[in-house]
Amino acid sequence: EPEVTQTPSHQVTQMGQEVILRCVPISNHLYFYWYRQILGQKVEFLVSFYNNEISEKSEIFDDQFSVERPDGSNFTLKIRSTKLEDSAMYFCASSGRQNFWEAFFGQGTRLTVV
Amino acid sequence: AQTVTQSQPEMSVQEAETVTLSCTYDTSENNYYLFWYKQPPSRQMILVIRQEAYKQQNATENRFSVNFQKAAKSFSLKISDSQLGDTAMYFCAFMTSFGNEKLTFGTGTRLTIIP
Repeated sequence: EPEVTQTPSHQVTQMGQEVILRCVPISNHLYFYWYRQILGQKVEFLVSFYNNEISEKSEIFDDQFSVERPDGSNFTLKIRSTKLEDSAMYFCASSGRQNFWEAFFGQGTRLTVV
Repeated sequence: AQTVTQSQPEMSVQEAETVTLSCTYDTSENNYYLFWYKQPPSRQMILVIRQEAYKQQNATENRFSVNFQKAAKSFSLKISDSQLGDTAMYFCAFMTSFGNEKLTFGTGTRLTIIP
């Protein structure tokens, strides 16, 4: 069964450092998303991406964040200068054109900022 | 903006019993989708069941069924014959019925199945 793959599973970084979280969506999917879950809290939408551009972003997704689909298969989330409050689980998701309502989630990357 | 409310932070039930998780939502849209996602200790989000707002019939997937009350904006999940593997966080979520739309999640209900 096709799946969304995220790497790394856990990343520890120092405050102020840049991190790149990587995702490989399901190959024929067209819509891509990043969500964030701070420990013990609800899952929050960060950004959606379609046709090589951002289609929607939340208030959380400020200038420190960027997304890219560099090579047609990977989908990355970059945080330029990490803050302590960026510590969270980050989930990538993708969906197809026909069943756009069915978002397939990756297993998440746990980001710890120290 | 849409909001999703889950008023039960934690629930527990004996194995093989039936449990119902509650969810209410607020929207001005007429067409939308509602979902229940399961998040086990592995942390991956797994789709349990979905309901299209235009369908009056409640969705069912094996032991999982929903009670969708559109006028009341209520969307509860019933788990029958609960199993130990059902222990997880359960999130109710909302999506408008267009492509490329985000999910709006509730705060979750932690369900524990007691052997």
